[in-house]
Amino acid sequence: AQTIHQWPVAEIKAVGSPLSLGCTIKGKSSPNLYWYWQATGGTLQQLFYSITVGQVESVVQLNLSASRPKDDQFILSTEKLLLSHSGFYLCAWRDYNYAEQFFGPGTRLTVL
Amino acid sequence: GDQVEQSPSALSLHEGTGSALRCNFTTTMRAVQWFRKNSRGSLINLFYLASGTKENGRLKSAFDSKERYSTLHIRDAQLEDSGTYFCAAESSNTNKVVFGTGTRLQVLP
Repeated sequence: AQTIHQWPVAEIKAVGSPLSLGCTIKGKSSPNLYWYWQATGGTLQQLFYSITVGQVESVVQLNLSASRPKDDQFILSTEKLLLSHSGFYLCAWRDYNYAEQFFGPGTRLTVL
Repeated sequence: GDQVEQSPSALSLHEGTGSALRCNFTTTMRAVQWFRKNSRGSLINLFYLASGTKENGRLKSAFDSKERYSTLHIRDAQLEDSGTYFCAAESSNTNKVVFGTGTRLQVLP
């Protein structure tokens, strides 16, 4: 069975500090991977997706970047956090383009 | 651009009754997925549809790409059905997924 893990569970960071959030999928080779973000009280927004290692497509510009260094790993990062980056970050995977997505447990980020 | 309008934003049902949630799309979507939010904020899969209808227990979903909508029907609602439900639609032309704003369902005794 496939499992999806996100780290950290929660993070409190200062404005201007760097950030790295991680997502790992076990039990599935070559999954499509996605990052989503939800501001408090807002709608879930797709940020990035990756079809294969080393390739990442941006959907929404939020001064964030994403990378896929390994087949089973997806990283979301920024060098300088903004207050507006606060919210809930979800990672998701699916088998291929026409299949249901499965979501990880999420990371709650608070920027102060 | 691609947008999803989800309604109602909030819904109260008495146990044993039913109702429907709806998502309307501004453009043609190739598939829709329905979720329920868990206590921690993550998403539990309910349905994935590229067309037609699917049923699972007391839940039933339909998707009409041509008419640009999807529905989630709940029948014989139970207290444990309370929570927030979301639809998410996939654009036909891109890999973009757009979420609805959610429906907060409260089931009353």
